[in-house]
Amino acid sequence: AQTVTQSQPEMSVQEAETVTLSCTYDTSENNYYLFWYKQPPSRQMILVIRQEAYKQQNATENRFSVNFQKAAKSFSLKISDSQLGDTAMYFCAFMKGGDMRFGAGTRLTVKP
Amino acid sequence: KAGVTQTPRYLIKTRGQQVTLSCSPISGHRSVSWYQQTPGQGLQFLFEYFSETQRNKGNFPGRFSGRQFSNSRSEMNVSTLELGDSALYLCASSLVSSGIGYEQYFGPGTRLTVT
Repeated sequence: AQTVTQSQPEMSVQEAETVTLSCTYDTSENNYYLFWYKQPPSRQMILVIRQEAYKQQNATENRFSVNFQKAAKSFSLKISDSQLGDTAMYFCAFMKGGDMRFGAGTRLTVKP
Repeated sequence: KAGVTQTPRYLIKTRGQQVTLSCSPISGHRSVSWYQQTPGQGLQFLFEYFSETQRNKGNFPGRFSGRQFSNSRSEMNVSTLELGDSALYLCASSLVSSGIGYEQYFGPGTRLTVT
């Protein structure tokens, strides 16, 4: 079974600085999808970024980028120029065949 | 375009009762997935419906069931409620079957409390 591990329960960063959230996963599959979701205090989950495992190029969405290391089964999220609105729980997720597995989450606090 | 809506937003039930939660996906989306979120177990996949058929199912007991209607709206039912069923239930919709890896858009959730 696929498992997703986020080893950092909590992190903090100063506004305008850069922070990296870690995620590793365990799978024997070759083709799958990886996601980072953000859940602000309002509780609505929002997709941050998506990566297809067959693509070697790392996904980027504005200030958010990933470092996808398929062989190492690692999928970290880098947030550049952190903003107060980035404060939230961040979940890493693995999907294969419609079954999405989430990590335990990292609570990120952006400090002014 | 309106987002995913879930009703009700909050619900209090007693052990042994049953409950039905509703989810309306984004217009045009045909896939609806359900998740349970608890502090202890985190986010867990319940099941996915696509074109009125259950496509995938997580590891939950048969007390948890669902269905999808022809307009893609979905309902989730939990029978014989237990205290451990207290959770935030999230619904997510996707344009096509989530197995293809399309983004899922989440609703605000239904907070179920079982007393």
